[in-house]
Amino acid sequence: GAVVSQHPSWVICKSGTSVKIECRSLDFQATTMFWYRQFPKQSLMLMATSNEGSKATYEQGVEKDKFLINHASLTLSTLTVTSAHPEDSSFYICSAALGDDGTQYFGPGTRLLVL
Amino acid sequence: GQNIDQPTEMTATEGAIVQINCTYQTSGFNGLFWYQQHAGEAPTFLSYNVLDGLEEKGRFSSFLSRSKGYSYLLLKELQMKDSASYLCAALDSNYQLIWGAGTKLIIKP
Repeated sequence: GAVVSQHPSWVICKSGTSVKIECRSLDFQATTMFWYRQFPKQSLMLMATSNEGSKATYEQGVEKDKFLINHASLTLSTLTVTSAHPEDSSFYICSAALGDDGTQYFGPGTRLLVL
Repeated sequence: GQNIDQPTEMTATEGAIVQINCTYQTSGFNGLFWYQQHAGEAPTFLSYNVLDGLEEKGRFSSFLSRSKGYSYLLLKELQMKDSASYLCAALDSNYQLIWGAGTKLIIKP
């Protein structure tokens, strides 16, 4: 149980294009979903927290107009990197919270390479 | 401020035991998590402690002392596949996870 999927797993795109990443909780309804970014050899950096049907809460320093988050249902959240640039190249990971104890279950991650 | 401290890297021998320590300072506390992350992959959940004491799960055990702001992850009978980063994370009063930088564990034959 508590399986989270992410799609796509790999994206290579040209600078200036927008990229959408989907995160789905497959066998449970997630009260909250989280989006992280991880640069090589660094720890996870929380980008934003989203609850179904409400606006995402962004961490300080994360541009909400650049990283658009839509949490349309209890099983789906999307992250759109708008007008991607090479510095946005990173490993993007979503997670979903199952209950109230704070346990997060992670998707497999999406590697984004912006050329 | 909120802070999680854990060693950057540790080395151990296959078949041995290793203990990875974590100290935390958070605004309120609602539990301590350990995650395993293999290189190039997303983290996977290992354990959650909210009460003091030791929780054992097979070869892995996790300990918590709330009064000391301290936790450790104990790995027994180490296998080569245990080579990974181990992330400590504390849940604060707002139920936000505060992440440590991770401990890279290197297992040698």
